[in-house]
Amino acid sequence: QVQLVQSGAEVKKPGASVKVSCKASGYTLTSYGINWVRQAPGQGLEWMGWISGYNGNTNYAQKFQGRVTMTTDTSTSTAYMELRSLRSDDTAVYYCAREPPNDFLTGSYFDYWGQGTLVTVSS
Amino acid sequence: DIQMTQSPSSLSASVGDRVTITCRASQSISGYLNWYQKKPGKAPKLLIFAASSLQGGVPSRFSGSGSGTDFTLTISSLQPEDFATYYCQQSTSTPYTFGQGTKLEIK
Repeated sequence: QVQLVQSGAEVKKPGASVKVSCKASGYTLTSYGINWVRQAPGQGLEWMGWISGYNGNTNYAQKFQGRVTMTTDTSTSTAYMELRSLRSDDTAVYYCAREPPNDFLTGSYFDYWGQGTLVTVSS
Repeated sequence: DIQMTQSPSSLSASVGDRVTITCRASQSISGYLNWYQKKPGKAPKLLIFAASSLQGGVPSRFSGSGSGTDFTLTISSLQPEDFATYYCQQSTSTPYTFGQGTKLEIK
């Protein structure tokens, strides 16, 4: 069965970086995209960006441009999201989510999600 | 960026009720609208994609409709496990934006 298993909770100081992993199983990473979505405490869902599992192409939300890097390691079927220059308002649960190949009839959607990784930014 | 606005923000209902949540886009998004269910401490779960397509394994009491700028999610007969927060999401253009959520609570 399809599973996305994320790395554990992190506590970081302001200005530091965090790298969250998302290990895929039950399907071929290279056939799907991976999106990253976060949810700050008491807030809604926020899309951060997408990476192609096929060729590593990325599309980042403007808000995170210059601070985020998404990568994949096809040898281990793992996707990564690194966020730099952390601030207190980056405290959130970060999710990876699988995106099936884009179909102009259905558009993009996220059919499987990781369990989430809590990143706490505090001095 | 395309703004997604859900209404209501919260809703109290009873088991067995029929419930409708609406989602409005700030510009036309054709039919590229998805619905997710979110429970505390759990990952979001895809319910509906492309406005009206039911994701596999999702009960048929969930349905979606709409196109352009106005969309609805309907739960035909609420079950205890349906009390959660629901989010719409547009996927016509990046950044993919979500509505603010509708919290469905037990009356």
